[in-house]
Amino acid sequence: DAGVTQSPTHLIKTRGQQVTLRCSPKSGHDTVSWYQQALGQGPQFIFQYYEEEERQRGNFPDRFSGHQFPNYSSELNVNALLLGDSALYLCASSLWELQETQYFGPGTRLLVL
Amino acid sequence: AQTVTQSQPEMSVQEAETVTLSCTYDTSENNYYLFWYKQPPSRQMILVIRQEAYKQQNATENRFSVNFQKAAKSFSLKISDSQLGDTAMYFCAFTVGRGGGADGLTFGKGTHLIIQP
Repeated sequence: DAGVTQSPTHLIKTRGQQVTLRCSPKSGHDTVSWYQQALGQGPQFIFQYYEEEERQRGNFPDRFSGHQFPNYSSELNVNALLLGDSALYLCASSLWELQETQYFGPGTRLLVL
Repeated sequence: AQTVTQSQPEMSVQEAETVTLSCTYDTSENNYYLFWYKQPPSRQMILVIRQEAYKQQNATENRFSVNFQKAAKSFSLKISDSQLGDTAMYFCAFTVGRGGGADGLTFGKGTHLIIQP
């Protein structure tokens, strides 16, 4: 049973650039949520996708956008990168109808220079 | 807005001891879920235990158990017979059930638990 996978593992970008992070949910799951975890902090909710639509959004600017594909995988895009965007980005998957617990992937470490 | 507070930034105990991590939360919702997640140095967030607010019985998973006090909005995690592999950051998290989907998780700042040999 494949768990949540994310790519890439690490990424280095410069200010102003754009980045795309990818996530494949756990087998059987249909909902993907994205979180940002700054160093020494708990994760913060960015947004959640179900049926290829953004269903909920946390307190993040429009520079953060996403997409969900028909196979339930998802992308997180961040435009006009700032130094403060350096963080661990976590993807979590769940089952919408059963309010299933969210299972996390290993994360993508983004460093903005 | 929901908030989750973990008041112990770091704890250290000897192997085989019992340790309790504290968590309090604030919400006006009635249908919600509470979780403890473990994040070892490998970064992978691992679910430890889950509690539904409507259940009075405290959840238990092997060496891990919770003390859920709904009126006090308290949700502590007890680890019995602690092992070196329990060394990790522990996060308390909260979500509201919506009868179809659930809110994004709200996390506390975490407690760094160190198990000494």
